[in-house]
Amino acid sequence: DGGITQSPKYLFRKEGQNVTLSCEQNLNHDAMYWYRQDPGQGLRLIYYSQIVNDFQKGDIAEGYSVSREKKESFPLTVTSAQKNPTAFYLCASHPLPGTGELFFGEGSRLTVL
Amino acid sequence: GQQLNQSPQSMFIQEGEDVSMNCTSSSIFNTWLWYKQDPGEGPVLLIALYKAGELTSNGRLTAQFGITRKDSFLNISASIPSDVGIYFCAVGGSQGNLIFGKGTKLSVKP
Repeated sequence: DGGITQSPKYLFRKEGQNVTLSCEQNLNHDAMYWYRQDPGQGLRLIYYSQIVNDFQKGDIAEGYSVSREKKESFPLTVTSAQKNPTAFYLCASHPLPGTGELFFGEGSRLTVL
Repeated sequence: GQQLNQSPQSMFIQEGEDVSMNCTSSSIFNTWLWYKQDPGEGPVLLIALYKAGELTSNGRLTAQFGITRKDSFLNISASIPSDVGIYFCAVGGSQGNLIFGKGTKLSVKP
């Protein structure tokens, strides 16, 4: 079945460590997005990519990095520079062009100990 | 950045009651969407609105795209326990992304 797969579902990290969250889609969508969700804050855009080998910063990119080497994959690295990394991270994709429905993965919950 | 004002933040209702929530913006948007998120899951699209004044239904859900293109509401009729979750409004951003409201958390008393 087509969809978006995020892994791991739960992740624990010690302070000072980098961690990479995986996002894979088999929908053949051009655009992929990473959002961060905190209680009562809604979803905030971290990074997005509309084409392979290109990506753009969203509203809260500091302390994060991404790559887009393949159309199907858009991994997010939470670096040690991110001051408050504990959150629920959501990956999404969109076929482009235009605006409309985003298809979301099931999310990854990162907890920094 | 652009902001959506979504209200109420949370609500508790009796099973069988109707629910109404809304979303407003100071800017005009051409696409309004409503998502639902179950605990520990990603959001799922409920209704998408692409035309000002449009009223669209999906089962017990009804949503309208405001004529000014600055607001939208979502109604849920005859609520049931599985309606529990967080409801988000969203509008289309300039890069194909979506801008989300902060959500309305719905709790239903059985």
